[in-house]
Amino acid sequence: DTGVSQNPRHKITKRGQNVTFRCDPISEHNRLYWYRQTLGQGPEFLTYFQNEAQLEKSRLLSDRFSAERPKGSFSTLEIQRTEQGDSAMYLCASSLVVAGGHEQFFGPGTRLTVL
Amino acid sequence: QQQVKQSPQSLIVQKGGISIINCAYENTAFDYFPWYQQFPGKGPALLIAIRPDVSEKKEGRFTISFNKSAKQFSLHIMDSQPGDSATYFCAAIPLNSGTYKYIFGTGTRLKVLA
Repeated sequence: DTGVSQNPRHKITKRGQNVTFRCDPISEHNRLYWYRQTLGQGPEFLTYFQNEAQLEKSRLLSDRFSAERPKGSFSTLEIQRTEQGDSAMYLCASSLVVAGGHEQFFGPGTRLTVL
Repeated sequence: QQQVKQSPQSLIVQKGGISIINCAYENTAFDYFPWYQQFPGKGPALLIAIRPDVSEKKEGRFTISFNKSAKQFSLHIMDSQPGDSATYFCAAIPLNSGTYKYIFGTGTRLKVLA
């Protein structure tokens, strides 16, 4: 399968615990994005990387959130001291930005439930 | 601040009918307007997209109509099928500003009755 993959698909945790999600983009894609989607809403932008550089972060990304893309390939999103309000679907997308290309391909998401 | 308003929130259409979903935007810097289709438990998938230099784009049963002066665009699904039942999101992005973050609408849940 050459699409965007995300792991785990589901995560249930207790309030105050730390969680980490992984995203593997389409192999040749140089941009990687994280979005958050709550029930009944569209995805909301969190942050994006061009290769290993994190270029933009949303105000939604509090200090408890950190994202990395250490070698410009896969990315991790960590949430520290989780809160019930962090419960959402976390979506990863990737794109190949060359010659005007900008279509974002989304993964299946990681659904986080904070008890 | 919601920058892309989408309506209706839900839509029920008979098989073979036309489904119409509307979006309106505020930011005149937006210059790329994709529509995404999302099935339960899946990530959004690109359906069709339009740039503001054209007023209409058609791909199979899916058509985007774009009205630049009104800052509105819509998705038409012709001959709607039960397999089209999904949530549809419009989005907008100001490509020329150098940012690549999509601004999504709130989604329309479409149900096509067999």
